[in-house]
Amino acid sequence: SAVISQKPSRDICQRGTSLTIQCQVDSQVTMMFWYRQQPGQSLTLIATANQGSEATYESGFVIDKFPISRPNLTFSTLTVSNMSPEDSSIYLCSVGTGWEQYFGPGTRLTVT
Amino acid sequence: GESVGLHLPTLSVQEGDNSIINCAYSNSASDYFIWYKQESGKGPQFIIDIRSNMDKRQGQRVTVLLNKTVKHLSLQIAATQPGDSAVYFCAEGAGNNRKLIWGLGTSLAVNP
Repeated sequence: SAVISQKPSRDICQRGTSLTIQCQVDSQVTMMFWYRQQPGQSLTLIATANQGSEATYESGFVIDKFPISRPNLTFSTLTVSNMSPEDSSIYLCSVGTGWEQYFGPGTRLTVT
Repeated sequence: GESVGLHLPTLSVQEGDNSIINCAYSNSASDYFIWYKQESGKGPQFIIDIRSNMDKRQGQRVTVLLNKTVKHLSLQIAATQPGDSAVYFCAEGAGNNRKLIWGLGTSLAVNP
């Protein structure tokens, strides 16, 4: 299984600002996913980020709010733009090998 | 829309007992099912998976059962240990897009 790291692990941000979350994988992978998880709740897929193509966003998520970069097969970023308190959540990246997905430790974001 | 749900949101067991966590799914086209364990402050961790052409699969201390007739999935943990305390998620996949649909989660508490 792949080893995945995320930066930052947590942050407290003011509303109206933006935060970029980094996801680094120790091996080359084609499929990467970004999720949001509200405390005590399940995972919600934000987008699929495959290297060499535009990210594919799920219903309710738009590129202007959550721009994603995928410059190579080991790295991706998710930006949470123009944040509001409703964006307070845990953001997780995962990589897929077939159907299995392996997750990073998450970034806990609090917007004040 | 299609969804995956869990029968029990919380489960409390005695150390050494067997645990059974249940999951219902609604997409009859799903052909891949997977269980994850999420400990506090960490990302989900893969436990075991099963494909729709199987009805049972065993791992180390864990067994997944699939009943396609009633669209039901269960995770059995033998000799439950305090380290098994976590939230358990089932997820399902269909088609080739490799996107998982996640259940609501069951919190397992192991009493010493």
